[in-house]
Amino acid sequence: AQSVTQLGSHVSVSEGALVLLRCNYSSSVPPYLFWYVQYPNQGLQLLLKYTSAATLVKGINGFEAEFKKSETSFHLTKPSAHMSDAAEYFCAVWSNFGNEKLTFGTGTRLTIIP
Amino acid sequence: DTGVTQSPTHLIKTRGQQVTLRCSPISGHKSVSWYQQVLGQGPQFIFQYYEKEERGRGNFPDRFSARQFPNYSSELNVNALLLGDSALYLCASSVATGGNSPLHFGNGTRLTVT
Repeated sequence: AQSVTQLGSHVSVSEGALVLLRCNYSSSVPPYLFWYVQYPNQGLQLLLKYTSAATLVKGINGFEAEFKKSETSFHLTKPSAHMSDAAEYFCAVWSNFGNEKLTFGTGTRLTIIP
Repeated sequence: DTGVTQSPTHLIKTRGQQVTLRCSPISGHKSVSWYQQVLGQGPQFIFQYYEKEERGRGNFPDRFSARQFPNYSSELNVNALLLGDSALYLCASSVATGGNSPLHFGNGTRLTVT
């Protein structure tokens, strides 16, 4: 079965500092990987997706993620944090075994310190 | 383009009652999926429909059912509500099925069971 693990349920960074949110995946086949963001009382917004075209994926709002097969990782980064980045971030993998579905990690809450 | 729309936004029900949640996908999207997000956790897959046929069902009891209409909108029904059914119910649509068609989520319906 395909799964993702997000390391760190809470991450705090200062405004202007680097944001690094960690995600490791488990998959026996080349995975489709996604990052979603959820603002309070809202649904999930797609930040970016990896579909094997390029290992460095650029998304919206200045975020990017790098697919590293050797480390089975797909960490999300942003060079300079902004107050508006405060939200919950979910890493997800597309599962093809049995049901076709997104399998989500447990989420990382990002807090920005002014 | 209008995004995925869900109604109602909030709902309060009593144990044992039945509830129907509604979802309109993005225009041109033929697949609709439903996810349950319990507070503090990542979304969990409930159903996927494509071209009005059920394509997948998650690990939820038979109290949960859904359908997709000819206009691709969808309803999620939950019978005999339990306190544990309290959650944010998210609808997502995609152009087709498969990991190459990212899911676009609505803002969800917040269901509270008392």
